[in-house]
This record gives sequence, structure tokens and C-alpha cells, in this order.
Amino acid sequence: EDQVTQSPEALRLQEGESSSLNCSYTVSGLRGLFWYRQDPGKGPEFLFTLYSAGEEKEKERLKATLTKKESFLHITAPKPEDSATYLCAVQDNRNQAGTALIFGKGTTLSVSS
Amino acid sequence: ETGVTQSPTHLIKTRGQQVTLRCSSQSGHNTVSWYQQALGQGPQFIFQYYREEENGRGNFPPRFSGLQFPNYSSELNVNALELDDSALYLCASSLGPPGDEQFFGPGTRLTVL
Repeated sequence: EDQVTQSPEALRLQEGESSSLNCSYTVSGLRGLFWYRQDPGKGPEFLFTLYSAGEEKEKERLKATLTKKESFLHITAPKPEDSATYLCAVQDNRNQAGTALIFGKGTTLSVSS
Repeated sequence: ETGVTQSPTHLIKTRGQQVTLRCSSQSGHNTVSWYQQALGQGPQFIFQYYREEENGRGNFPPRFSGLQFPNYSSELNVNALELDDSALYLCASSLGPPGDEQFFGPGTRLTVL
């Protein structure tokens, strides 16, 4: 069964204190791994797609990396506006349910000034 | 370019009632997926429509049904509402053949009393 586990559940950082969020996954065949940002009461906002081990993508203070078993979202010198829940999701290329996204529970990041 | 829109924003129903939620896809997108997000959880896949046909379904009972229209907008219908159906319902659109990157709307918050 496809599974996504994110850790930690919650993370508190001081402004400028860099850290990483982890996403471990189990799928029959990885079609893609996705990172989303979600603010309270709103829909997820697309950040990155990663397709193969070794791939990296960057956007402002965020950098996503992928291995065969996990992905990391590195946050460099975070600011209070980076506070949100970060969701990781995978697509299984052998999934009969279309291109369903299978989500983890998310990591809630709080950045204080 | 218009993003994904959903209506209504909030809805309160009582147990046993029926509800219809609506979604307009991002311009140019022909695939719509629906997700249910309970408080503190990641989104769970309900089903996906591609060119008006159901293209995959998650582990939800038949009282959850959907439609996609020729203009690629979509509806989610839930019959015989239960208390556990209280959640944020998210619609995501993508460019098919069922594409990888799914872009989410703001969601509809459904409360069942």
C-alpha cells in the first residue's frame, strides 16, 4: 500500500534558523513527488515536482531534494511569512486511481521573529 | 489566467441531507480531482474526472458522486450526510492526459450537524 510519512509534525524556528522537513514514502513505482504549502483554511499551493532520485529544485528560500526513499524540503534563513503547513504527496505510476495524489499529514512550520 | 475556484466557501448541513459542491477548473485544464481534508490531516483522494469520464476513485462510498461538464467544471455530490463528512473539500485541476501537477482551489468548508 502506498504510504507517505512526514516528520516532524510541527517545527518551531527562529527567523534565520535553517532546517529541513522530511518526507518518507513507499510506492510501487514513483511517478512523481510533490511539495505543497498550505495556509490555514486555504487550499494547498503548489511548490515543486520531483521525478527521479538525485533531482533538486529551488524556489527562493526553499530547496527540495529526492532520494529513492525520501524527500527533504530545506528551508534556508526562514522568515515569519514562511509559516505554514508543508504537505508532501506522491503519485504511483501503477495506481489504478488515475493520477491521484497520496498525501502525508504535513509538517506545520512556525517561524518567529 | 484564472485559477481554480470553488463554491460555496462554507456550508452547514444536518445529518441525512444532501449537498452539492462546485468547482471551476483553471483555464486550459481538462482534468479535475476532488479531495477531502479532515482537520489536522492531509487531503484524501475522492475521485478524478478527465474529459467528463471518471478516471479513478479513492476509498469513498458510493454516496460520494461527481460530474464533469463539457467546460471542464465539476460537481461533487454527497448524499445521506454523516457527521464524519465534516471537512474541507478541495478541488484540483490539471492538464491532461491526466497530468502530474495539480493546482488546488481554496476549498469548501462543510460542517455537518
